[in-house]
Amino acid sequence: RKEVEQDPGPFNVPEGATVAFNCTYSNSASQSFFWYRQDCRKEPKLLMSVYSSGNEDGRFTAQLNRASQYISLLIRDSKLSDSATYLCVVYTGGFKTIFGAGTRLFVKA
Amino acid sequence: GAGVSQSPRYKVAKRGQDVALRCDPISGHVSLFWYQQALGQGPEFLTYFQNEAQLDKSGLPSDRFFAERPEGSVSTLKIQRTQQEDSAVYLCASSPGLDPYEQYFGPGTRLTVT
Repeated sequence: RKEVEQDPGPFNVPEGATVAFNCTYSNSASQSFFWYRQDCRKEPKLLMSVYSSGNEDGRFTAQLNRASQYISLLIRDSKLSDSATYLCVVYTGGFKTIFGAGTRLFVKA
Repeated sequence: GAGVSQSPRYKVAKRGQDVALRCDPISGHVSLFWYQQALGQGPEFLTYFQNEAQLDKSGLPSDRFFAERPEGSVSTLKIQRTQQEDSAVYLCASSPGLDPYEQYFGPGTRLTVT
């Protein structure tokens, strides 16, 4: 079983829709969690951190469910510019950064 | 300010050749990471430097892969005797502190082994 798993999608949604992605992790000792965004043929960029209490940044909300070992990303009022691959990141101590394979999102007009 | 830069951006190597990939992190960033990203996959961790010290090289796939950061700034990832399975995008990232959070990525080097 992979350490971090994501639904690869693609998710095809119309502008203005709400879409949610999940990311599951296998190591219960995992400590810190993040979401990155990667545009086609570009480098990943940090989108937001995921805290136990949840984290909201404008239209984006990230949540952590430790009991079920998953994190989620909710995007409200989707924009065309939200089209990208969303990568979840898990840290289990140390410096090794574990990325999921990513979920592809296409927002269409 | 200047971000992370990598060179070359594209590299084509014949199987068996050695290659060297360069990373210039953001000035003053303590931590530096190398990743390998295959098509359709997320980045796979290769190695981590804190200043000039290589503290984690658990992700290097074989002893053909070698990384260094001798003066705690620029880093080089070297691949000896390249194989077709080495074809991927190699990403470098730096972060300002001692923790791995808030990483800033370079544009990557796309390596194609023919």
